[in-house]
Amino acid sequence: GAGVSQSPSNKVTEKGKDVELRCDPISGHTALYWYRQSLGQGLEFLIYFQGNSAPDKSGLPSDRFSAERTGGSVSTLTIQRTQQEDSAVYLCASSLEVGREQYFGPGTRLTVT
Amino acid sequence: QKEVEQNSGPLSVPEGAIASLNCTYSDRGSQSFFWYRQYSGKSPELIMSIYSNGDKEDGRFTAQLNKASQYVSLLIRDSQPSDSATYLCAVNRGRRALTFGSGTRLQVQP
Repeated sequence: GAGVSQSPSNKVTEKGKDVELRCDPISGHTALYWYRQSLGQGLEFLIYFQGNSAPDKSGLPSDRFSAERTGGSVSTLTIQRTQQEDSAVYLCASSLEVGREQYFGPGTRLTVT
Repeated sequence: QKEVEQNSGPLSVPEGAIASLNCTYSDRGSQSFFWYRQYSGKSPELIMSIYSNGDKEDGRFTAQLNKASQYVSLLIRDSQPSDSATYLCAVNRGRRALTFGSGTRLQVQP
């Protein structure tokens, strides 16, 4: 079956602009996660959604970051007023439920100039 | 102390040898454990999951878990150059997102 998809694959934006990153999870997966990976670094948790429960936003680095998940499926991560330190690969993953195996999408490489 | 610790490497092994990758974690309440492989410029790919103490084998891969020692390892038998990648250990404590180690870089020499 289809895996996790993300778009765009690459995004170059100017400092101060807003960006939206999209994630389409595996069909039937109730949990969806966003992570960030800076060059040569480990994965940093940002936010996760589980079904209709309130999302866990504990990893969001600032109030410039927000995410929503519509209809229990597609998710959008929005970064407002981008800064150069936001440059990273943003990875989305999904799982049948929280605590189970997570499957990652190909990521969106964000470059802020 | 980091929540999940891995030796950054590189771990270099000759082709055909056994590669042993280790990971320790700090939270005794951790319940599920995962190994991911990440090639340069690619996203992490799930290799193994393990939930209970002992060994779990899948092809050339064996995951080992010892909750008393807070230790999880991954053995790769008959290592191939295509196994050269960064291996990420990830830990989950119940209904929370995964906590990842920083990864061990494995180099398999032909």
